[in-house]
Amino acid sequence: KAGVTQTPRYLIKTRGQQVTLSCSPISGHRSVSWYQQTPGQGLQFLFEYFSETQRNKGNFPGRFSGRQFSNSRSEMNVSTLELGDSALYLCASSPSGFGEQYFGPGTRLTVT
Amino acid sequence: DQQVKQNSPSLSVQEGRISILNCDYTNSMFDYFLWYKKYPAEGPTFLISISSIKDKNEDGRFTVFLNKSAKHLSLHIVPSQPGDSAVYFCAASPLNRDDKIIFGKGTRLHILP
Repeated sequence: KAGVTQTPRYLIKTRGQQVTLSCSPISGHRSVSWYQQTPGQGLQFLFEYFSETQRNKGNFPGRFSGRQFSNSRSEMNVSTLELGDSALYLCASSPSGFGEQYFGPGTRLTVT
Repeated sequence: DQQVKQNSPSLSVQEGRISILNCDYTNSMFDYFLWYKKYPAEGPTFLISISSIKDKNEDGRFTVFLNKSAKHLSLHIVPSQPGDSAVYFCAASPLNRDDKIIFGKGTRLHILP
């Protein structure tokens, strides 16, 4: 099976712009979670989608949003980018959302 | 409020010796724990897990120990190899399977030659 893929791998944006990141889960996986990784902060949970519904949400401002399509592919959007949004954004999929998750390589977002 | 804590940001261990990575949690509703390993420029990969009904789980060179009363788990790597140099994340999953998995901040392990 193909692994989790994320596009793009690298992105440079300017403050105030918006960005959309994409994640294709492993075939058959219905749960997709998004995480933000910054130095010293570990993996901070953004949200989880299961069968096109947001099932869980982390403590991030409303500028961060996401959605999941009927084929389980997911997108994450960040509006009005701030310098502090510079991070590695990781997507993970699993069959049910419980237990082992399979991570993609991440999208490195740099906001200047 | 950090529910999963990895208090050592980094750890250096001689090649061939035992590496012990520690993790503490505060929420007694967690009942399934996982360890992930992450290399630079890659996503984390699953290493080993343990259910709260067990106190030990072993997979090759990797063993995870769970002390429920102390709300503490540890990952032992024996013997440590150069390829083990990476960031290790501890994660905890709650009883409510619809609730989110919580990750610690990670411990960077350096294996010294």
